[in-house]
Amino acid sequence: AQSVSQHNHHVILSEAASLELGCNYSYGGTVNLFWYVQYPGQHLQLLLKYFSGDPLVKGIKGFEAEFIKSKFSFNLRKPSVQWSDTAEYFCAVNGAASGTYKYIFGTGTRLKVLA
Amino acid sequence: DTGVSQNPRHKITKRGQNVTFRCDPISEHNRLYWYRQTLGQGPEFLTYFQNEAQLEKSRLLSDRFSAERPKGSFSTLEIQRTEQGDSAMYLCASSSNKRAHANTEAFFGQGTRLTVV
Repeated sequence: AQSVSQHNHHVILSEAASLELGCNYSYGGTVNLFWYVQYPGQHLQLLLKYFSGDPLVKGIKGFEAEFIKSKFSFNLRKPSVQWSDTAEYFCAVNGAASGTYKYIFGTGTRLKVLA
Repeated sequence: DTGVSQNPRHKITKRGQNVTFRCDPISEHNRLYWYRQTLGQGPEFLTYFQNEAQLEKSRLLSDRFSAERPKGSFSTLEIQRTEQGDSAMYLCASSSNKRAHANTEAFFGQGTRLTVV
């Protein structure tokens, strides 16, 4: 069965600290990978996406993620977080290349950045 | 703003009542998805449509849940005989499958928060 695991449920950092959020997926085919962010009181928004090509993808607000196929991972990183990055982060996968268009989400990581 | 629109934003209902939610996707998007999200969890897939065809339903979706997209535009999600366990945020999303965008992200609405009392 398709699944996404996010191992860090809650992360607390001080401003300017570096961030890495883990994401591992289980899927038997070619995948598309996504990170979404949900700021307090707002809807889910796309941070970045990977379809093919360079496994290091850059998104909005200084975020980047690296696809490591051999590890079934797509970890999210940011070198220096800001207080405004306080939000919940969700990793997601779909198999559109294989004809499966539903998006499967992880349980999310709640990030709190202390000013 | 022509994003995904959901109505109502909030719904409080008594146990046993039926409720219906509406989703208007981004106009050129032909895929439409319904998800459920509870506190501390990620969005849980319920069902999705390509145009008016319902292509997949989660096994978690009981017979009390039904979704329609009659003309391939807006969609409705109905829950019959609501139970307290149905209390959640119901999210709608849409995406496009035009050839140039075969791989694309889903765009989410603000959600409808259902509280069953």
